[in-house]
Amino acid sequence: NAGVTQTPKFRVLKTGQSMTLLCAQDMNHEYMYWYRQDPGMGLRLIHYSVGEGTTAKGEVPDGYNVSRLKKQNFLLGLESAAPSQTSVYFCASSYSYGTEPTNYGYTFGSGTRLTVV
Amino acid sequence: AQSVTQLGSHVSVSEGALVLLRCNYSSSVPPYLFWYVQYPNQGLQLLLKYTSAATLVKGINGFEAEFKKSETSFHLTKPSAHMSDAAEYFCAVGHTGTASKLTFGTGTRLQVTL
Repeated sequence: NAGVTQTPKFRVLKTGQSMTLLCAQDMNHEYMYWYRQDPGMGLRLIHYSVGEGTTAKGEVPDGYNVSRLKKQNFLLGLESAAPSQTSVYFCASSYSYGTEPTNYGYTFGSGTRLTVV
Repeated sequence: AQSVTQLGSHVSVSEGALVLLRCNYSSSVPPYLFWYVQYPNQGLQLLLKYTSAATLVKGINGFEAEFKKSETSFHLTKPSAHMSDAAEYFCAVGHTGTASKLTFGTGTRLQVTL
């Protein structure tokens, strides 16, 4: 049982380059999320998805795009990377609204450390 | 809007001493509350969660937290710290009305000394 898998684990980009971060979950979760973690700022929500084919903006969406073509995958794209996007990116998934409350909570991936130079 | 405030970005305790990490929440509806732990270079792992079943919640690794509505608090405690508890701890708040989105605090780094 892999849970949530993120690829790649590390990446260095030059300013202006593009890349896609992949998140895959095998728990049949409806909801998936992308967060970024920066020192002293905790985790901030970038985008999220409540189901296949749907996405929505979070707290800090600018400079990022996402797609959820398959239920198990959630992709985060950077079209033109900037140094301000240097961060650790975490993907998470969860059960949907309306399920048993004791199931609430996220399962996290192990993160992608991105450096933009 | 919901939010959490973690008091103290760094906490240092001696091995064997009480661990107390503070979290206060703000929510206009009954909240769900969570504590997550992050070890160096790893993702976040769920320690415990409050979903209105019981106000005192026991989690993994000997941690527990008590939901106090009157104080809008959900502080994390452990009676006796171990060296292996050194990590960063995040409090988070959510509820069913927001697509299960969680709002995280800024984290508290716990240091355990000999």
